[in-house]
Amino acid sequence: NAGVMQNPRHLVRRRGQEARLRCSPMKGHSHVYWYRQLPEEGLKFMVYLQKENIIDESGMPKERFSAEFPKEGPSILRIQQVVRGDSAAYFCASSLDRGWTEAFFGQGTRLTVV
Amino acid sequence: QQQVKQSPQSLIVQKGGISIINCAYENTAFDYFPWYQQFPGKGPALLIAIRPDVSEKKEGRFTISFNKSAKQFSLHIMDSQPGDSATYFCAAKGSNYKLTFGKGTLLTVNP
Repeated sequence: NAGVMQNPRHLVRRRGQEARLRCSPMKGHSHVYWYRQLPEEGLKFMVYLQKENIIDESGMPKERFSAEFPKEGPSILRIQQVVRGDSAAYFCASSLDRGWTEAFFGQGTRLTVV
Repeated sequence: QQQVKQSPQSLIVQKGGISIINCAYENTAFDYFPWYQQFPGKGPALLIAIRPDVSEKKEGRFTISFNKSAKQFSLHIMDSQPGDSATYFCAAKGSNYKLTFGKGTLLTVNP
């Protein structure tokens, strides 16, 4: 499967726990974008990363949220001390370059905070 | 501030009918307007996209109409089929990498 792979597909966390969401971009893609989709809402940009660099994290909450894209391995979106309001679908997209005209989305991780 | 407004929120169409979804944008720096189709439990998939130098783009049963002066664009699905039932998102992008999405339209095509 050459598509964007996200795991887990579903994640349940209790309030106060940590959530780790993983994204493996399409083969050959070195640009990764994370979006969040709240119920009844469109997707909202969170962060843009290249290998080992955070390019733009302007859409990410200042506290509890962090992202990384190491030289080896998948991109990780980490949410510490989760709260009910973090419940959402988190989508990762990847592109070949920065000036992309098409980014390919993964199937998302549905996070539920109980 | 919602930069891309999408309507209607939901739409029910009979099989064979035309589905029309509208979007309006505010930022004149946007220069790429894609439509995404999302099935339940899946990620958004690019359906069709247009740049503002053309007024219409057609791919199979799907057509985007673009009105630059009105800052509006719409998706038309001809001969709608039950398999088209999904949520459709319009989006817009400028010279950078960020997509700004509308809130989505839930399309139901009845057999």
